[in-house]
Amino acid sequence: DAKTTQPDSMESTEGETVHLPCSHATISGNEYIYWYRQVPLQGPEYVTHGLQQNTTNSMAFLAIASDRKSSTLILTHVSLRDAAVYHCILRVYGNEKITFGAGTKLTIKP
Amino acid sequence: DPKIIQKPKYLVAVTGSEKILICEQYLGHNAMYWYRQSAKKPLEFMFSYSYQKLMDNQTASSRFQPQSSKKNHLDLQITALKPDDSATYFCASSQDPTNYAEQFFGPGTRLTVL
Repeated sequence: DAKTTQPDSMESTEGETVHLPCSHATISGNEYIYWYRQVPLQGPEYVTHGLQQNTTNSMAFLAIASDRKSSTLILTHVSLRDAAVYHCILRVYGNEKITFGAGTKLTIKP
Repeated sequence: DPKIIQKPKYLVAVTGSEKILICEQYLGHNAMYWYRQSAKKPLEFMFSYSYQKLMDNQTASSRFQPQSSKKNHLDLQITALKPDDSATYFCASSQDPTNYAEQFFGPGTRLTVL
């Protein structure tokens, strides 16, 4: 699976909108972009995924660049419960394995 | 109700002993996985099972053996335990292993080997 690059940490305040960037300059055409998040002492939680088009669900909005070399996970009206490590992951079609990196540690201030 | 159960939550073992980590999923999924997370390291994929058959094994050591007695069970037997095996072990499952299925993770078993 191709590699992703994320900032080590980001900080925001409750109620604000957070943009979590992810760079994947060597992404292949058959790789989907997945986002998971993990809070301490718990297993990772699926957030969203996409291939080419922007996607949205109850948890987040995923904006994918037209050349697919970068993406941004957008969290609106963040709360303290959104504090977690957010992982941007590329998955090859047919490969069930998820390869996690260090991710971005998101801190939310009251 | 918890959908993925891992037992025990905490486990302490002595070097050289053998332990079994239990995982049961009640999501009706056909694929199950094991991951390991050592202190301050990213999650590391270990095994995947589909319909009770081993699909992928990324663990170099044969001391780690998954065991699937039922479709919704995937236990992990670890023999000849070493201090380096200390980690949190996460079980996960998904509906289908061959597409972009979302994986659901359990709460983990935190293993400490003394």
